[in-house]
Amino acid sequence: DTGVSQDPRHKITKRGQNVTFRCDPISEHNRLYWYRQTLGQGPEFLTYFQNEAQLEKSRLLSDRFSAERPKGSFSTLEIQRTEQGDSAMYLCASSPPTLVDSYEQYFGPGTRLTVT
Amino acid sequence: EDQVTQSPEALRLQEGESSSLNCSYTVSGLRGLFWYRQDPGKGPEFLFTLYSAGEEKEKERLKATLTKKESFLHITAPKPEDSATYLCAVQVNYGQNFVFGPGTRLSVLP
Repeated sequence: DTGVSQDPRHKITKRGQNVTFRCDPISEHNRLYWYRQTLGQGPEFLTYFQNEAQLEKSRLLSDRFSAERPKGSFSTLEIQRTEQGDSAMYLCASSPPTLVDSYEQYFGPGTRLTVT
Repeated sequence: EDQVTQSPEALRLQEGESSSLNCSYTVSGLRGLFWYRQDPGKGPEFLFTLYSAGEEKEKERLKATLTKKESFLHITAPKPEDSATYLCAVQVNYGQNFVFGPGTRLSVLP
């Protein structure tokens, strides 16, 4: 299967700890997105990479959140000093390079974070 | 503020009973509207992209339409395997900030 993969699938951590999630996009997809989704809500945009450049970041994104995409391949999302409000599903999505300005995203299975 | 709402919040249909889901949006400039299907515990799965008012797309029992202020997802003769949450999302202007609605939870009973 060559879809988007995310690791780990589940993470339980104590409040105040740091966590890091990994996303491997579909090969040759140069666009990568991170979203957060809570129960009963749609995904909420966090940040966007085109190749290795982080081009957009949500205004709502706390300074405790940081994302990287070294070499334009896989990406990591780190949350420092986790809070109970960070408990959510963290989704990664990728899109292929295209001349069209608007395009579908292919989502991974997500990482479910529980902060106790 | 850019906003996407969906109705109804939840919908229960009998197998074969056709219906429509609504996605209304208030955005500064629409570049594209997307429909996704999400099964429990999984990431969303892409269904359709619509770019301009009057456009329609079809796939099996699903048909998506777009007007200037809303989109509809029509489900014809649904089957139990169509049960899922259906999400719509809009891309605003030229940014990559896709705004998702809260979704409609569809249950199709045999």
